Amino acid sequence: DIQMTQSPSSLSASVGDRVTITCRASPSIGSHLSWFQQNPGKAPKLLIYGGSTLQSGVPPRFSGSGSRTHFTLTIDGLQPDDFSTYYCLQTSSLPGTFGQGTRVEI
Amino acid sequence: QVTVKESGPVLVKPTETLTLTCTVSGFSLRDSGMGVSWIRQPPGKALEWLAHIFSNDDHSYTPSLKNRLSISRDTSKSQVVLSLTNVDPVDTATYVCARIWKSGSSWDFHYVMDVWGQGTAVTVSS
Repeated sequence: DIQMTQSPSSLSASVGDRVTITCRASPSIGSHLSWFQQNPGKAPKLLIYGGSTLQSGVPPRFSGSGSRTHFTLTIDGLQPDDFSTYYCLQTSSLPGTFGQGTRVEI
Repeated sequence: QVTVKESGPVLVKPTETLTLTCTVSGFSLRDSGMGVSWIRQPPGKALEWLAHIFSNDDHSYTPSLKNRLSISRDTSKSQVVLSLTNVDPVDTATYVCARIWKSGSSWDFHYVMDVWGQGTAVTVSS
């Protein structure tokens, strides 16, 4: 089984900040990683897939990087709508595995 | 417009079987590389991938629930059905289906899970 370790579990930030969330995979997953944003009571929204490919319609302040075992999601210039929970997902080996989530709060 | 929508019972008794249906529109379950995944989220907890099925009938289940899960598709109805047997209160969660498809070539591709339903909340209680 592939294990995904996401950190931090929560963080405090302000509008305009640069925020970085990390996911570590064990074992390697190549670039088969997606990032999702989830607001309370809502379905997750795909932000990035393939480690770094921005989903259509997602603002460019979101970016993903990394490969194999270490991945990051960066939000450059946090906006009020970005205070949310973020999840990583590995799809190198199905069924996929989600990280435990990161709550970004004010 | 591509949509997926879950339906099923709100309340299930312990030891019963939970059966959920995902109805899709805007794409076909026969389309090459196309599939549907089921995910659940207990209240206040993280997302958990349960199962998936693709157009070639390739499917699998999360190891911890493999013996209790079953997934199937009815292409004529554009539906994917998930069953979870012998439910317990710990299975109380919002169950969500999502479209998953292969982006890229057959030898260099990524899975994209881009369209999600709103989910259906299921409570297991006597």
